[in-house]
Amino acid sequence: EIVLTQSPGTLSLSPGERVTLSCRASQNVRSNLFSWYQQKPGQAPRLLITDASSRATGIPDRFSGSGSGTDFTLTISRLEPEDFAVYYCQQFGSAPNSFGQGTKLELK
Amino acid sequence: EVYLVESGGGLVQPGGSLRLSCEASGFTFSSFWMTWVRQAPGKGPEWLANINQDGSQKYYVDSMKGRSIISRDNAKKSLYLHIASLRAEDTALYYCAKGNRMDVWGQGTTVTVSS
Repeated sequence: EIVLTQSPGTLSLSPGERVTLSCRASQNVRSNLFSWYQQKPGQAPRLLITDASSRATGIPDRFSGSGSGTDFTLTISRLEPEDFAVYYCQQFGSAPNSFGQGTKLELK
Repeated sequence: EVYLVESGGGLVQPGGSLRLSCEASGFTFSSFWMTWVRQAPGKGPEWLANINQDGSQKYYVDSMKGRSIISRDNAKKSLYLHIASLRAEDTALYYCAKGNRMDVWGQGTTVTVSS
């Protein structure tokens, strides 16, 4: 099973700032079958990025993903108030698929 | 519009079983893998199982192997998860999601395991 480790656990930031979240896999993620999700309280996770770098439908271009192999990043170029949430990485290249433990973006 | 609606959750005694259902609409259900994910209170999502388009391939997380079965009925556009030998740590909100990329999620159904 591939274990995904996200860092940092919590980030305190202000609107307008740029942020990069990291996710490291314990093994290579096959074919970069890797996604990022955003989750707000009381809501289901929402797909942001898939295949490591492809934005999902309707996702603003301030969100971007990069990486390959075992190291992946999600960048938000300029934080908007609605971006303060928890972000999860996930791999679906090897069964069982797995999620990271999450990074919480909180308002400074 | 694409919708997934889960049902079948509730209060179950330890050792019991239940079957969760997920009804799909707005897309060609039979063309997609489907996935079950759960989220315990205050925790992150946990991937549970997925199934391919015709039901011939199924994968499970270790904690579900041997006590759960994922299945689907393409004619009814429905996905199912049967879980047996329920324990307190199975208490969670259970979601179904479209595909392996999980681009659409339902609202979830709550399972509480308690005596």
